[in-house]
Amino acid sequence: ETGVTQSPTHLIKTRGQQVTLRCSSQSGHNTVSWYQQALGQGPQFIFQYYREEENGRGNFPPRFSGLQFPNYSSELNVNALELDDSALYLCASSLGFTTNEKLFFGSGTQLSVL
Amino acid sequence: ILNVEQSPQSLHVQEGDSTNFTCSFPSSNFYALHWYRWETAKSPEALFVMTLNGDEKKKGRISATLNTKEGYSYLYIKGSQPEDSATYLCALSGANNLFFGTGTRLTVIP
Repeated sequence: ETGVTQSPTHLIKTRGQQVTLRCSSQSGHNTVSWYQQALGQGPQFIFQYYREEENGRGNFPPRFSGLQFPNYSSELNVNALELDDSALYLCASSLGFTTNEKLFFGSGTQLSVL
Repeated sequence: ILNVEQSPQSLHVQEGDSTNFTCSFPSSNFYALHWYRWETAKSPEALFVMTLNGDEKKKGRISATLNTKEGYSYLYIKGSQPEDSATYLCALSGANNLFFGTGTRLTVIP
């Protein structure tokens, strides 16, 4: 067990709606990263938060936004959902923000956009 | 963007066989190379993080090597067991994120 939990595990939304996905990191982990895995692809980096500040962003539009809270929980918000947003969303926590550290992943939220 | 290629895409082996698969990359401009094991319906689990050319890591029956000069890493599994069935992901680290390959799906047949 990685100690990282995500909710919900599955979610169905319709195009144009908004969605919030949640992640609870390991206690003491100051960094959380979010990844999107589309079918047949490897996980792709969405963004990273370190001590509640955004610390890097991948090639995703501004309708993907996030928050990190002092209690080691975080959120990924997606507005104006599109069909292509259907994917598995993974969060991962780590102690610091250097990428030499291993990541501790949750088991993901499977989002289906109809 | 760091391009990461993994081969083969999938692999079936008999229980007890040893196997290996490859992660290749065109550039050595990264901080570290990560290997993760991802069993179905579970979380990806870190196996190794390697940073130096010539690094070798071992965890039980699983080991990995890194050759940054020639642009590859190998993951070896000795005496495969059914519980080794999983997708093995390789990733290169940039400044603040990982670039993942699409994985090698290993099935160990009892």
